[in-house]
Amino acid sequence: GQQLNQSPQSMFIQEGEDVSMNCTSSSIFNTWLWYKQDPGEGPVLLIALYKAGELTSNGRLTAQFGITRKDSFLNISASIPSDVGIYFCAGQWSGGGADGLTFGKGTHLIIQP
Amino acid sequence: DTEVTQTPKHLVMGMTNKKSLKCEQHMGHRAMYWYKQKAKKPPELMFVYSYEKLSINESVPSRFSPECPNSSLLNLHLHALQPEDSALYLCATSTRGKNSPLHFGNGTRLTVT
Repeated sequence: GQQLNQSPQSMFIQEGEDVSMNCTSSSIFNTWLWYKQDPGEGPVLLIALYKAGELTSNGRLTAQFGITRKDSFLNISASIPSDVGIYFCAGQWSGGGADGLTFGKGTHLIIQP
Repeated sequence: DTEVTQTPKHLVMGMTNKKSLKCEQHMGHRAMYWYKQKAKKPPELMFVYSYEKLSINESVPSRFSPECPNSSLLNLHLHALQPEDSALYLCATSTRGKNSPLHFGNGTRLTVT
């Protein structure tokens, strides 16, 4: 099925550094979501964005819904060891019914000691 | 703790076996989903149920048979699977309509021998 273009594919950073990742799409979405997945667990919702241009924070995480509705970014400030994991962006149309998500391929975040 | 509970956590089955995966939620969500996830890949949508009725089947082989007996339960019946069906199977739920992000369970790790 359709996938979003998520980058970077992986990141090797030092603890305390800031992190930035983004997703782009050829289609517009009504909702952009960011999930984090740890090994052996399901994806956990970090931030949900519902309006073009919306900028939302959740602790050290900040995400924005692109004005064109075709892109989104996620920033993590002052990374800590527990930030390690796979981050997925996801777009959702939600035209009023129940539909699934279109996922990016994920960004693997690795924090070097 | 996730509010979407999946059992079993791990399952090993032979290609001639019949088994079932179970998903339970008590959030009052009326949309429920099955996703399949291979290692280090994004989840792939399999089925969507809306108000206990199948609304989306993403061309999934008939050896996977979903069932939604009530608004809290979602099952995935497995029969005559192939080794390539080994994956993490994720259940998710959402409200219907706009502003309805998906909430995932921790999945069932399935190994087909």
